[in-house]
Amino acid sequence: GESVGLHLPTLSVQEGDNSIINCAYSNSASDYFIWYKQESGKGPQFIIDIRSNMDKRQGQRVTVLLNKTVKHLSLQIAATQPGDSAVYFCAENMAGTYKYIFGTGTRLKVLA
Amino acid sequence: DAGVTQSPTHLIKTRGQQVTLRCSPKSGHDTVSWYQQALGQGPQFIFQYYEEEERQRGNFPDRFSGHQFPNYSSELNVNALLLGDSALFLCASSFGGNTIYFGEGSWLTVV
Repeated sequence: GESVGLHLPTLSVQEGDNSIINCAYSNSASDYFIWYKQESGKGPQFIIDIRSNMDKRQGQRVTVLLNKTVKHLSLQIAATQPGDSAVYFCAENMAGTYKYIFGTGTRLKVLA
Repeated sequence: DAGVTQSPTHLIKTRGQQVTLRCSPKSGHDTVSWYQQALGQGPQFIFQYYEEEERQRGNFPDRFSGHQFPNYSSELNVNALLLGDSALFLCASSFGGNTIYFGEGSWLTVV
């Protein structure tokens, strides 16, 4: 199928290692953030979210860190598996607006 | 529990033609947003519909229009298609203005 991430930055990690995907967001007034995973030929899939009153949030094998001082968001994936291979996007939303602004995306490749 | 469903999944149109894409939101959701995703880029917000009205619009020309029906489903219409309109069109639904969940998208190719 078609791919939406032909020329994206790529992060290659060994299976079983931890992955860290970074995102610089654009608007200091944004107060809600989501990480999405997009597999080839599919729509973005919700992974985890965080509000600006938090610095860290954990899910199953995933952790999101938020640094509002430098407008930086990261997604940590523990014990990366082949099924984690995909393009990952961060998205930001500003209170009072309804649109999400997406980052450029990072392709994660898991090496066996 | 069905997620967000979109149709058609793939279509090919000729420059100057018009296209209609359809979306059914996730059960329990009342708000539909549309995004365009070009190859190698993140999704770009087109507009959001709530209570059958366009609530917010992104930086897209008037050729892009939409509609929301009483059952919360939605259509995206694009008139006078250009080659540059070729993209993956994504529908996302939410309850109110909260977390949005995407469908699998409609791949549009304009030739």
